[in-house]
Amino acid sequence: AQSVTQPDIHITVSEGASLELRCNYSYGATPYLFWYVQSPGQGLQLLLKYFSGDTLVQGIKGFEAEFKRSQSSFNLRKPSVHWSDAAEYFCAVGSTSGTYKYIFGTGTRLKVLA
Amino acid sequence: GAVVSQHPSRVICKSGTSVKIECRSLDFQATTMFWYRQFPKKSLMLMATSNEGSKATYEQGVEKDKFLINHASLTLSTLTVTSAHPEDSSFYICSARIAGGMGETQYFGPGTRLLVL
Repeated sequence: AQSVTQPDIHITVSEGASLELRCNYSYGATPYLFWYVQSPGQGLQLLLKYFSGDTLVQGIKGFEAEFKRSQSSFNLRKPSVHWSDAAEYFCAVGSTSGTYKYIFGTGTRLKVLA
Repeated sequence: GAVVSQHPSRVICKSGTSVKIECRSLDFQATTMFWYRQFPKKSLMLMATSNEGSKATYEQGVEKDKFLINHASLTLSTLTVTSAHPEDSSFYICSARIAGGMGETQYFGPGTRLLVL
């Protein structure tokens, strides 16, 4: 069955520290992969996406993610976290079968300490 | 670019009434729009896929007669919650994919918070 796992429900980091949010997926082929961020009471903003090609993907706000096929992972990283990065982060797998549906992970809530 | 709006942002209604939520793609045409429901501190649950000019495709367990979806144009989809009950209270988010482009990316609206009293 297709699924997305974000093992960390909550993560707390100090401002200026590095960040890595984990995402593992189960899918029959190489899926389309996405990271979205959601601030409280808001919709989702696309941070970055992977369709094919270079496995290290750069996104907005200084985020990057690396697709590792052997580990079925697509972890999100940022070298230095800012207080404004505090939010909920969702990893999603996009269908490659033409339905365009997403499967979302359960999300990771990031707290940033001043 | 790729902005999606939703209206209203918040709505409070009485039990038994119907509520309509609009989802618009402001600067692109959206062949397909999606409706999600998000419970507090939970992930997004896909309710239905809305294709312009055709009937929506509902996910398993979603009542199509309760959650009416209309995708009348390439820039507008509406979700009507009929005979709303308190358990329908939730955060509803729509998304849209760009027609004809590399269409796997969904762009999300800001969400609509529904409270049924």
